Amino acid sequence: DIQMTQSPSTLSASVGDRVTITCRTSQTINNYLAWYQQKPGQAPKFLIYRASSLETGVPSRFSGSGTGTEFTLTISSLQPDDFATYYCQQYDTYPYNFGQGTKLEIK
Amino acid sequence: EVQLVEAGGGVVQPGGSLRLSCAASGFTFSSYWMNWVRQAPGKGLEWVGNIKQDGSETHYMDSVKGRFTISRDNAKNLLYLQMNSLKVEDTAVYYCARGSAYWGQGTLVAVSS
Repeated sequence: DIQMTQSPSTLSASVGDRVTITCRTSQTINNYLAWYQQKPGQAPKFLIYRASSLETGVPSRFSGSGTGTEFTLTISSLQPDDFATYYCQQYDTYPYNFGQGTKLEIK
Repeated sequence: EVQLVEAGGGVVQPGGSLRLSCAASGFTFSSYWMNWVRQAPGKGLEWVGNIKQDGSETHYMDSVKGRFTISRDNAKNLLYLQMNSLKVEDTAVYYCARGSAYWGQGTLVAVSS
């Protein structure tokens, strides 16, 4: 199985900050990596696919990058609505594992 | 509008069985792979498995292989998750999802004696 490692587990930041979350995979995944945002009591929201392609309707302050085994999600200027938990998921090889999540908190 | 509505969750004893369903609407159900994802209370997301458009291919996470079965009825736009030999660690909210983009609101399964 492909192991997924997200860092940090928790991130404290302020409105307006630029933040980056990292996802490392234990083997290459042909950039088949997705990012999700989840708020308490809600289903996950799909943000990015194929490592860097923004899903329709997702604000442009979100961006994804990376290749090989290291990927990042960047929020260029944090808005109040962005405080949530973020997950990466690889969908190259079964099982389609998720990272353990990064909780983005208000500083 | 794409809608996915899960049903069938509840409380079940260890070793018991439960069948979840997911009613799909707003899209051509038979054209998409469908997924089940779960989330234990206070924990992260865990991919459970998926099924091909015609039901001819399924994949599962290791810990549910041989206990869970995913199936679908394309005539009724329904996705199923049959869960047998349930364990306490299967306690979670179970989501159905169309690919990555569309998710239901989830149904809670609690395995407890």
